[in-house]
Amino acid sequence: AQRVTQPEKLLSVFKGAPVELKCNYSYSGSPELFWYVQYSRQRLQLLLRHISRESIKGFTADLNKGETSFHLKKPFAQEEDSAMYYCALNKAGGGNKLTFGTGTQLKVEL
Amino acid sequence: SQTIHQWPATLVQPVGSPLSLECTVEGTSNPNLYWYRQAAGRGLQLLFYSVGIGQISSEVPQNLSASRPQDRQFILSSKKLLLSDSGFYLCAWSVPRGGPQHFGDGTRLSIL
Repeated sequence: AQRVTQPEKLLSVFKGAPVELKCNYSYSGSPELFWYVQYSRQRLQLLLRHISRESIKGFTADLNKGETSFHLKKPFAQEEDSAMYYCALNKAGGGNKLTFGTGTQLKVEL
Repeated sequence: SQTIHQWPATLVQPVGSPLSLECTVEGTSNPNLYWYRQAAGRGLQLLFYSVGIGQISSEVPQNLSASRPQDRQFILSSKKLLLSDSGFYLCAWSVPRGGPQHFGDGTRLSIL
């Protein structure tokens, strides 16, 4: 069965510091991976997906199949980045059913 | 544009009482629909998904059931709530061919 692991429940960084939110997955096939974000008092929303290979709000994530990782990175953290971040996996041919990690709360301090 | 509505936002129910949570989507046809539960300190767990009217797949054995009486309506129900049913319930939709899921605001359910 597929699994998504986010080892950090809480990540605290200073404004302007680099950010890396870790995500590892276990799945024998070819997965589709997403990062979702939930800002305070807002609904869960898509941040980015690996097939798009784009940068959203300064965040990027590269799928590393060798390490089975999809870490989320941003070179300079901003206060408005403080939120809950979830990594999710959609297995190929899986009927678009997502498996979520437990989430990482990012706190950017001034 | 597409929108998703979920209600109620919060609900407090006694053990053994019935449950009905509703989710509706606007601005799209034949969406895939999903119910998730988020327990404290845990990730989102997929409970049910539906690819069409009357088509429901259950992902985990539980005390809950789901129904899709109309194309853009998805209902989460229980005949008798348990304490363990407490949690945060999220409805989501995606286009039929897959891709990103779009979430509602959620319902916080407390069982007393």
